[in-house]
Amino acid sequence: EAGVAQSPRYKIIEKRQSVAFWCNPISGHATLYWYQQILGQGPKLLIQFQNNGVVDDSQLPKDRFSAERLKGVDSTLKIQPAKLEDSAVYLCASRPAGGTYNEQFFGPGTRLTVL
Amino acid sequence: KQEVTQIPAALSVPEGENLVLNCSFTDSAIYNLQWFRQDPGKGLTSLLLIQSSQREQTSGRLNASLDKSSGRSTLYIAASQPGDSATYLCAVKGSWGKFQFGAGTQVVVTP
Repeated sequence: EAGVAQSPRYKIIEKRQSVAFWCNPISGHATLYWYQQILGQGPKLLIQFQNNGVVDDSQLPKDRFSAERLKGVDSTLKIQPAKLEDSAVYLCASRPAGGTYNEQFFGPGTRLTVL
Repeated sequence: KQEVTQIPAALSVPEGENLVLNCSFTDSAIYNLQWFRQDPGKGLTSLLLIQSSQREQTSGRLNASLDKSSGRSTLYIAASQPGDSATYLCAVKGSWGKFQFGAGTQVVVTP
């Protein structure tokens, strides 16, 4: 079974530029998460999708971050414009729908450096 | 608001010694708790998932216990090996639906 795919793996941009990350979850997984992990900290949830609907985006800085999951499969996360404090690893995870008994599976992450 | 704490932040042990990693949480109304391993520059790998109704879960050299009433989980790794060197994170899924992560414990196993 293929895992969660993310691209790009690394991105370096200047502040105020825009950037987009892509995630392809495990086939059949209805729930998709985007996390931000700052160096030395645990991942922080940015947004959770159930199929193509948003379940939780309470910690997403909506003035600059946006995410979508068209057709309930792939997802993109965009930052526009980027700030220095956005430097982090952006992790995508997925899990099967329903119940509380299913694990999250993570992709390798995208490491963003904002200069 | 749920807070998840992992102490110590870093740990170094000689090869062969047993590892004991701690995770504490402030709200005992959780659905499950998951332990992950993270290697440098990599994503998270799931190790064990404990449901709220379970007291422990085992996989090979790994054993995780859960005490909801005291807000604690412990991950035991028997007979540590240099390949066990990584950062170990715990995450709790609460009634509010979100997964809340600890900051992790960085483990170094020296040959």
